[in-house]
Amino acid sequence: DQQVKQNSPSLSVQEGRISILNCDYTNSMFDYFLWYKKYPAEGPTFLISISSIKDKNEDGRFTVFLNKSAKHLSLHIVPSQPGDSAVYFCAASTGFQKLVFGTGTRLLVSP
Amino acid sequence: GAGVSQSPRYKVAKRGQDVALRCDPISGHVSLFWYQQALGQGPEFLTYFQNEAQLDKSGLPSDRFFAERPEGSVSTLKIQRTQQEDSAVYLCASSFGRRGTDTQYFGPGTRLTVL
Repeated sequence: DQQVKQNSPSLSVQEGRISILNCDYTNSMFDYFLWYKKYPAEGPTFLISISSIKDKNEDGRFTVFLNKSAKHLSLHIVPSQPGDSAVYFCAASTGFQKLVFGTGTRLLVSP
Repeated sequence: GAGVSQSPRYKVAKRGQDVALRCDPISGHVSLFWYQQALGQGPEFLTYFQNEAQLDKSGLPSDRFFAERPEGSVSTLKIQRTQQEDSAVYLCASSFGRRGTDTQYFGPGTRLTVL
């Protein structure tokens, strides 16, 4: 039972354009959501988070949107840069610290 | 400052061998987590420590898996009688406090291959 789903295994975008990564969840008890970025042979690195009491959070080029009624969140990267090429994981928690991760989306930003 | 470190980075074991994986969290971090990441999947929770107390071990897949953090800093994940399905990357993460919103910082992982 996959509680957090990332249905797009990969995404290719040109440098300077917007990247949109999507994530769906099934557990309505989730109240905290995060995005992690992972380069090969490294551990995941925290990118941005959002609490369920908000519907948007911005940090520089990164914005996360949360639609609770649809149980959907998305990560927007504007403008995309080649250094953003990595695997992006969506994660969620119920207020306890255990994170439930999606399967990841591989983003490739080409010059 | 230093991040989370894990050793060894790579471990090859024959089926049936016992292995021990080490995690050094960020100094002063109260919470420590172990996750297992199979090929092509996201990390899956194994267990959680707050200082030396193991508060959640619901993700450990069998009684062959055992974790400890005896002095509230370094942690060891032990797998007894390894099986091929144990092949995965084992990730350790630590966070400063006890809140669910505290950021978890991950180590580089230990890639375990069971032959």
